[in-house]
Amino acid sequence: QQQVKQSPQSLIVQKGGIPIINCAYENTAFDYFPWYQQFPGKGPALLIAIRPDVSEKKEGRFTISFNKSAKQFSLHIMDSQPGDSATYFCAASMKGSGNTGKLIFGQGTTLQVKP
Amino acid sequence: DAGVIQSPRHEVTEMGQEVTLRCKPISGHDYLFWYRQTMMRGLELLIYFNNNVPIDDSGMPEDRFSAKMPNASFSTLKIQPSEPRDSAVYFCASRTTGNYGYTFGSGTRLTVV
Repeated sequence: QQQVKQSPQSLIVQKGGIPIINCAYENTAFDYFPWYQQFPGKGPALLIAIRPDVSEKKEGRFTISFNKSAKQFSLHIMDSQPGDSATYFCAASMKGSGNTGKLIFGQGTTLQVKP
Repeated sequence: DAGVIQSPRHEVTEMGQEVTLRCKPISGHDYLFWYRQTMMRGLELLIYFNNNVPIDDSGMPEDRFSAKMPNASFSTLKIQPSEPRDSAVYFCASRTTGNYGYTFGSGTRLTVV
């Protein structure tokens, strides 16, 4: 129930394409769903996050779509660029004693955007 | 702000040796997390602290691992004795109460030979 399942494991798109990365969770107590971006040799960096009271959030070229009933959320990257090539992690966390803000990460998706 | 600072960036040690990884969180952040990243297991939470107190250490793999946070600006993760299977990238992250976004350090790449 603590797991967050992420797919695909890797993804290759052409410049300008719209890569989509999907995540699914089981625990309905999760109430915060961020996406992190990680470049080689760096730590993950917060990209965008959503709470379950909204179905979509956009920040620049990055959009999270959230389906509460299906317990799924996804990241879309519009007009993808070679500089977006990185590993992307979804995550989830919940409030509550002993779990305050503890993030559970998906396995990661390595994205390559070809010029 | 210099962000979360980890040292060393790289560590190569022989099996059986003690290894100490260090982390300086962002000033004012009251939560500190230690994660381990491997290809096989992804990002695993090892332990986290709130106001310098360990809250959840259920992710610490075994007694060879220990973590301390003697003050708000410093934490250590110690492995004694180290084993080849401990080879991984270890990340420290911090955040403030009410803001669930973590800031990660650049990590320490540990290789145990």
